[in-house]
Amino acid sequence: GQSLEQPSEVTAVEGAIVQINCTYQTSGFYGLSWYQQHDGGAPTFLSYNALDGLEETGRFSSFLSRSDSYGYLLLQELQMKDSASYFCAVRTGRRALTFGSGTRLQVQP
Amino acid sequence: DAGVIQSPRHEVTEMGQEVTLRCKPISGHNSLFWYRQTMMRGLELLIYFNNNVPIDDSGMPEDRFSAKMPNASFSTLKIQPSEPRDSAVYFCASSPAGGTFEAFFGQGTRLTVV
Repeated sequence: GQSLEQPSEVTAVEGAIVQINCTYQTSGFYGLSWYQQHDGGAPTFLSYNALDGLEETGRFSSFLSRSDSYGYLLLQELQMKDSASYFCAVRTGRRALTFGSGTRLQVQP
Repeated sequence: DAGVIQSPRHEVTEMGQEVTLRCKPISGHNSLFWYRQTMMRGLELLIYFNNNVPIDDSGMPEDRFSAKMPNASFSTLKIQPSEPRDSAVYFCASSPAGGTFEAFFGQGTRLTVV
């Protein structure tokens, strides 16, 4: 089976940088995705990494180390609207996403 | 594109009743997923269809749950009989051919079984 671990909560202030880590155990690993979900909303795709290294998309970056079974999401220049839950998800040989339990990010003024 | 459309948005039903949730995926997407989200268990994959064929239903909790995809533009998730522990938000998601890194989620159906 698959298992993913990420911190349950992270707090940061506006304008700061925050890193949300994700470690995984799975077989047939294809890649790691990140999703954002605001309260009452649906998960929305942020980024993915299939290969080792850093992917940058605006204020958000995602990193993957396949050898360490580890990835992180980096959020820069935090804004209040970034307060949400963030999920890492792995794609396996079954071609379906398995999600972590989510990290609740609270951005304070 | 209107995105993934789910109905109803909210459903309140009594224990023992049949519940049917509906989903219209994004046109052209050939993969469809049903997920369930609760505080205790997080976001769980229930079933995955590819080209209208169920590929993995190992996440379906028990025989009370069934899902169908009669054509590329429609899927249903049925619970019969419903129980209070089925209360959750049920999401339908779709993705295009070639992979599922990016799944597009509907707004979900909040189901409450009393």
